[in-house]
Amino acid sequence: EVQLVQSGAEVKKPGESLKISCKGSGYKFNSYWIGWVRQMPGKGLEWMGIIYPDDSDTRYSPSFQGQVTMSADKSISTAYLQWSSLKASDTAIYYCARQDVLCGGRCYGYFDFWGQGTLVTVSS
Amino acid sequence: IQLTQSPSSLSASVGDRVTITCRASQDIDIYLAWYQQKPGKAPKLLIYSASTLQSGVPSRFSGSGSGTDFTLTISSLQPEDFASYYCQQLSDFPRTFGPGTKVDIK
Repeated sequence: EVQLVQSGAEVKKPGESLKISCKGSGYKFNSYWIGWVRQMPGKGLEWMGIIYPDDSDTRYSPSFQGQVTMSADKSISTAYLQWSSLKASDTAIYYCARQDVLCGGRCYGYFDFWGQGTLVTVSS
Repeated sequence: IQLTQSPSSLSASVGDRVTITCRASQDIDIYLAWYQQKPGKAPKLLIYSASTLQSGVPSRFSGSGSGTDFTLTISSLQPEDFASYYCQQLSDFPRTFGPGTKVDIK
């Protein structure tokens, strides 16, 4: 059974750093991109970026480039999302998701399995 | 690529046929997915490649469209279908989501 298990809720102050995790199991972790999606309180889904655990290749949304860093440790089947200096506006639920890929005329991916989400609260 | 969804919300009864529309700002061929999200839960994949039903998803859900105009249809709304629905384009980076459509009980 494919599972993505995320780390627990965090409460941080503005300016603090944070690293949240997403551990995959039940499939070959190295062979699937992992994506991150933000959901601010009461709002919709925002695609942040994806990382390929086998070689740590990344694709960031321009909205999040430079604001967060995605990484992965394939030896422990875990992906990470980190901030060096949090802002109040980073308060949100962050989901990781596995990206399955279909190739026909071209290759494209969609999120077929999701983690349970990590609530990050940034408040002074 | 920008996505718009209509309506932003709707009220419907059990048994109703519900249609949600997603429009892309440029041609994305069939590279579109639909997700369902219930309150306090992670999104769930319903449909990919515009019309391919994900394994385990009830057949009352269907998707259609190509190019810039897409539709998610629930043929007979069930109590467990009251949720928010999001489209996502799979064509270009960033892989943007639509703003969502909330389906609630009339």
